[in-house]
Amino acid sequence: EAGVTQSPTHLIKTRGQQATLRCSPISGHTSVYWYQQALGLGLQFLLWYDEGEERNRGNFPPRFSGRQFPNYSSELNVNALELEDSALYLCASSPRTGSTLGYGYTFGSGTRLTVV
Amino acid sequence: QQQVKQSPQSLIVQKGGISIINCAYENTAFDYFPWYQQFPGKGPALLIAIRPDVSEKKEGRFTISFNKSAKQFSLHIMDSQPGDSATYFCAASSRGGSQGNLIFGKGTKLSVKP
Repeated sequence: EAGVTQSPTHLIKTRGQQATLRCSPISGHTSVYWYQQALGLGLQFLLWYDEGEERNRGNFPPRFSGRQFPNYSSELNVNALELEDSALYLCASSPRTGSTLGYGYTFGSGTRLTVV
Repeated sequence: QQQVKQSPQSLIVQKGGISIINCAYENTAFDYFPWYQQFPGKGPALLIAIRPDVSEKKEGRFTISFNKSAKQFSLHIMDSQPGDSATYFCAASSRGGSQGNLIFGKGTKLSVKP
């Protein structure tokens, strides 16, 4: 079974540009979560998508946005990039909320975004 | 009520020693408690998990101890090895709460010295 895949692995952008990060969940998982992990820090909750809908977002400005497609893959967009946006962006997926399959997360390996 | 408090923030252990990481929670509705292990530059990976109907679960050198009355759970790594050096996150299920299914602690950076 394929795991959660994220692309690209690394991304270098200039301040003010836009970045697009992509995530493909495990087959059968309908929920996708995005986390930001700055160097040496914990997991900061960014966004949660389930069944194509945004369920909640963390304490991040509106220039962080995303969407979930009908095949449950997801995209994270960061507009007007700032230097402090440099971080590892992690995507995780889980089965549908309340599913008898359980609700553990499977993480991808992340996209390392560097803003220069 | 949705928080999971993890300690210590960092931990240094000698090779062969026991590493202990603690987590506490408030929400008595939590019913699934996983631990994740993250190596630098990689995503967290599920290490071991427990449900509150048991007080202890062991997998190899890794053991979760669970104290339901105290609302605490801990990860013990026996015979710690340099290869165990990583960041460890505890989590608790929130059954589709505001952040989805899991609430994460802030992480513990473990360094095992040879």
